[in-house]
Amino acid sequence: NAGVTQTPKFQVLKTGQSMTLQCAQDMNHEYMSWYRQDPGMGLRLIHYSVGAGITDQGEVPNGYNVSRSTTEDFPLRLLSAAPSQTSVYFCASSYSRQGKDTEAFFGQGTRLTVV
Amino acid sequence: GIQVEQSPPDLILQEGANSTLRCNFSDSVNNLQWFHQNPWGQLINLFYIPSGTKQNGRLSATTVATERYSLLYISSSQTTDSGVYFCAVVATGGFKTIFGAGTRLFVKA
Repeated sequence: NAGVTQTPKFQVLKTGQSMTLQCAQDMNHEYMSWYRQDPGMGLRLIHYSVGAGITDQGEVPNGYNVSRSTTEDFPLRLLSAAPSQTSVYFCASSYSRQGKDTEAFFGQGTRLTVV
Repeated sequence: GIQVEQSPPDLILQEGANSTLRCNFSDSVNNLQWFHQNPWGQLINLFYIPSGTKQNGRLSATTVATERYSLLYISSSQTTDSGVYFCAVVATGGFKTIFGAGTRLFVKA
């Protein structure tokens, strides 16, 4: 049982490049989400999913795309990287109990630098 | 959307001291969690506590849902307690986990 696994751990991109951050969970959780954390700040929600085939925008969705084709995987795509997307990215998953979202489990984070 | 405010923003303690961190939220919640982010950036689940009181060793937490606040108590602090403590909530009827800005704690030896 690996929990939430993010890859890669570190990445450097040039402005305008595209890439996909991977997130996988093996806990059969319904809910998955992506956050970014900028220096000295809390986590801000980018996109989230309440189940396979269902995604929605969070607080800061611009510049990012997501899809959820399986319960296990929730990749985050940067279509054209910008220096403002330099940040640490966290993926999280959680399950629902009686229709209520319960505790979230986080991956180790991906440190992305866009130059 | 729901607002989450944490206080104090920064806290410096001498090893062995006790402290109380506060989280206020603006709407009713289904879920409230406390996390510790260590100096290596890892987020560690401390408590899942939408209501009531829980204890785990030197840490304990209380959430008074009707008054929309939660408290995290750290007793006999150690240098390894240093880092940032986050409160995160899910509003009733919602799916999004929203984080507060955190309390940055430094424990001096």
